[in-house]
Amino acid sequence: IAGITQAPTSQILAAGRRMTLRCTQDMRHNAMYWYRQDLGLGLRLIHYSNTAGTTGKGEVPDGYSVSRANTDDFPLTLASAVPSQTSVYFCASSDSTGGSYNEQFFGPGTRLTVL
Amino acid sequence: GQNIDQPTEMTATEGAIVQINCTYQTSGFNGLFWYQQHAGEAPTFLSYNVLDGLEEKGRFSSFLSRSKGYSYLLLKELQMKDSASYLCAAIDSNYQLIWGAGTKLIIKP
Repeated sequence: IAGITQAPTSQILAAGRRMTLRCTQDMRHNAMYWYRQDLGLGLRLIHYSNTAGTTGKGEVPDGYSVSRANTDDFPLTLASAVPSQTSVYFCASSDSTGGSYNEQFFGPGTRLTVL
Repeated sequence: GQNIDQPTEMTATEGAIVQINCTYQTSGFNGLFWYQQHAGEAPTFLSYNVLDGLEEKGRFSSFLSRSKGYSYLLLKELQMKDSASYLCAAIDSNYQLIWGAGTKLIIKP
């Protein structure tokens, strides 16, 4: 049982390049999330998806896009990377339905550096 | 606006007890989580409180007061492996998680 996997583990990227961070879960959770974590700021929600086929914007969505074609996969794309997007990116999932809330399970993270 | 406050850093001695406080201001409230995050690793779930009172789970306990917008995480019999950051997160009326910046706990022998 893998839980949530993310790829790549780390990446150095030139500014202006396009990059997709991959996230896959095998727990059949309906909800998935992308966060960035920067020193002193805690986790900030970028985008989320409550169920396959739907996505929503979080606190810091600008410069990022997501898709949710199926239950298991939730890729995050940086269309044109900028240095301020240097961060650690965590994908998470939860078995959350309307009116209830369960814990989120996190992937191992992707450390992204934009030069 | 919505806000979570917790101390940036705390230091404690191995074998002792430490209490990490968290205050929250959210639009609506549907519960509060505590997560543990070791350096370079992903956050992992510790506890969830939605009703007032103390939830005990082994060496860790979590307390919630909804009227005061306050929670704490109590760690007993501290071990060196408890050195980590502890993240407080409140669920708002839209079932979105509002995260604190985390408290870095340093355990000294």
